[in-house]
Amino acid sequence: QKEVEQNSGPLSVPEGAIASLNCTYSNSAFQYFMWYRQYSRKGPELLMYTYSSGNKEDGRFTAQLNKASQYVSLLIRDSQPSDSATYLCAIQGGYGGSQGNLIFGKGTKLSVKP
Amino acid sequence: GAVVSQHPSWVICKSGTSVKIECRSLDFQATTMFWYRQFPKQSLMLMATSNEGSKATYEQGVEKDKFLINHASLTLSTLTVTSAHPEDSSFYICSAARTGAGNTQYFGPGTRLTVL
Repeated sequence: QKEVEQNSGPLSVPEGAIASLNCTYSNSAFQYFMWYRQYSRKGPELLMYTYSSGNKEDGRFTAQLNKASQYVSLLIRDSQPSDSATYLCAIQGGYGGSQGNLIFGKGTKLSVKP
Repeated sequence: GAVVSQHPSWVICKSGTSVKIECRSLDFQATTMFWYRQFPKQSLMLMATSNEGSKATYEQGVEKDKFLINHASLTLSTLTVTSAHPEDSSFYICSAARTGAGNTQYFGPGTRLTVL
């Protein structure tokens, strides 16, 4: 089982809808959870990070973390065509010598149709 | 804040030559910088972790003599791909860690390397 798994998509939603992106992880020791957005041929852009179970909101974005079930999701409300990108789930360990290293999922490609 | 730049953004070189890529944190100091490689339709793979003033830590399978990393200051890290070959063609992305909750990493825009 891979450490961080995402459905590669593509996920297609109409403009104005809610896009739901999911990520599961295998190691319960992971402590920090990030969502990055990456446009084609660009570097990833940090959208949100969280470290406690529950919901964290920032504008149209909500990160949901459930440590008991080992998943983290990203909800995008009122999706816009400009949200079309690949969304990367990244998890940071807090153990051993790899503290600070990010482990990325493969990313979910989101397409928002006008 | 938290802007990271990379230079060049795009480079083409001949097989056997060396290419240097710069990564700069523009508005914060970064004790730790990371270098990633991303192949088409793949996720980012960590190559090495670079700490200012010390030797880089390479991930398993990454040749340290081929990918030379120098982290000379708190705002600059460089990656030199030595004796590049076509299989080294990829998208190279750096990130700089800002201390604080989770040691959040901020990414540069990436450098696309094409080796002919």
